[in-house]
Amino acid sequence: AQKITQTQPGMFVQEKEAVTLDCTYDTSDPSYGLFWYKQPSSGEMIFLIYQGSYDQQNATEGRYSLNFQKARKSANLVISASQLGDSAMYFCAMREGVEPGGSYIPTFGRGTSLIVHP
Amino acid sequence: GAVVSQHPSWVICKSGTSVKIECRSLDFQATTMFWYRQFPKQSLMLMATSNEGSKATYEQGVEKDKFLINHASLTLSTLTVTSAHPEDSSFYICSAPAGRETQYFGPGTRLLVL
Repeated sequence: AQKITQTQPGMFVQEKEAVTLDCTYDTSDPSYGLFWYKQPSSGEMIFLIYQGSYDQQNATEGRYSLNFQKARKSANLVISASQLGDSAMYFCAMREGVEPGGSYIPTFGRGTSLIVHP
Repeated sequence: GAVVSQHPSWVICKSGTSVKIECRSLDFQATTMFWYRQFPKQSLMLMATSNEGSKATYEQGVEKDKFLINHASLTLSTLTVTSAHPEDSSFYICSAPAGRETQYFGPGTRLLVL
């Protein structure tokens, strides 16, 4: 079974609008971390945001926020005020066992291609 | 901030040759590094976990003799694709964790085997 599910292969958004990229996860480990990465056409993986399973508040980093709904096991990425440069692939990832001695091995979703149009 | 470099950034080789890809953590020590493979428009697939001072841990289905990994120091891991074939053509990317919340990725290496 997939541990990370991104159901949107592609998304379109108009410049300056907000967009939500979906991510659901599956784990029985009480300690885990959720990540979002951006991969532009150049191939580099750019870290965007992190949410720990014990974090009480939703993570935010500038225009990026993570809508963490633990009971539903979802960790959607919200990009506010989209810019043309936001066009890229976006990957949701999870790392289980983030406590000391944990595995630290991340698992990635299939990704969502975001296109921002003017 | 912390940076992970990869060399080369792209390589074209003939079928049957071996290709070595280096992954370096530039300003932090990494006892563990991860090697991924990514086909066009697909996700990153973890190939192996490189451990400094010990053998790499390979994911199921990854041939150990095909993809040799050596973690020579706390800042360097190498992936050697031995006897490369066209089906090995892919984007190879390494990463190094720096704390529980952070993982830094290299810029990737595009391999084309003719």
